[in-house]
Amino acid sequence: NAGVTQTPKFRVLKTGQSMTLLCAQDMNHEYMYWYRQDPGMGLRLIHYSVGEGTTAKGEVPDGYNVSRLKKQNFLLGLESAAPSQTSVYFCASSQRGRGSISTDTQYFGPGTRLTVL
Amino acid sequence: KQEVTQIPAALSVPEGENLVLNCSFTDSAIYNLQWFRQDPGKGLTSLLLIQSSQREQTSGRLNASLDKSSGRSTLYIAASQPGDSATYLCAGGGNTGTASKLTFGTGTRLQVTL
Repeated sequence: NAGVTQTPKFRVLKTGQSMTLLCAQDMNHEYMYWYRQDPGMGLRLIHYSVGEGTTAKGEVPDGYNVSRLKKQNFLLGLESAAPSQTSVYFCASSQRGRGSISTDTQYFGPGTRLTVL
Repeated sequence: KQEVTQIPAALSVPEGENLVLNCSFTDSAIYNLQWFRQDPGKGLTSLLLIQSSQREQTSGRLNASLDKSSGRSTLYIAASQPGDSATYLCAGGGNTGTASKLTFGTGTRLQVTL
């Protein structure tokens, strides 16, 4: 099992460019999440998905779009990158969102370090 | 809105010492409390998850407790080792329907010295 993988690992963009971050999980998890991590602010939830074809907004969704066309993949898009979106982006998945320790535990990918100039 | 605080931001202890990391949260209607470990430049690894109906969870040298009434959780690490050096994050799971949306603290950076 590879667990949760993210591509790319690093990326540098210019202001106004677009890009898509890919998250893939091979654990057959229902729920997937996108977070960003900034110094001094902890991880913040951007968007999440409770199943194939569904997405919902998290705490800081502005400037991002997501899609969950396949159960194992969760895509995060930046349509017009801004310097404020410079961050480390983490994807996570869980079996379900609530109910028990085994279903609620979130598994994280290694992260994508994005710099917007 | 849930807020999670971790104090201290950094901690250095000699090898073999027992230590406690603290986490406080503002909303007692927490659904679960998770502790993670993050190594530099890496993702997060789940250590322990405590459901709101539980008081503590144990895994090896780690023990996490949850006191909803006081809004506090602690992570106890016994007999610390240099390999325990990492940043430890706690996160409160919100009771917002089906998804366990986590609110993270900013972490405690732990260094265990020889």
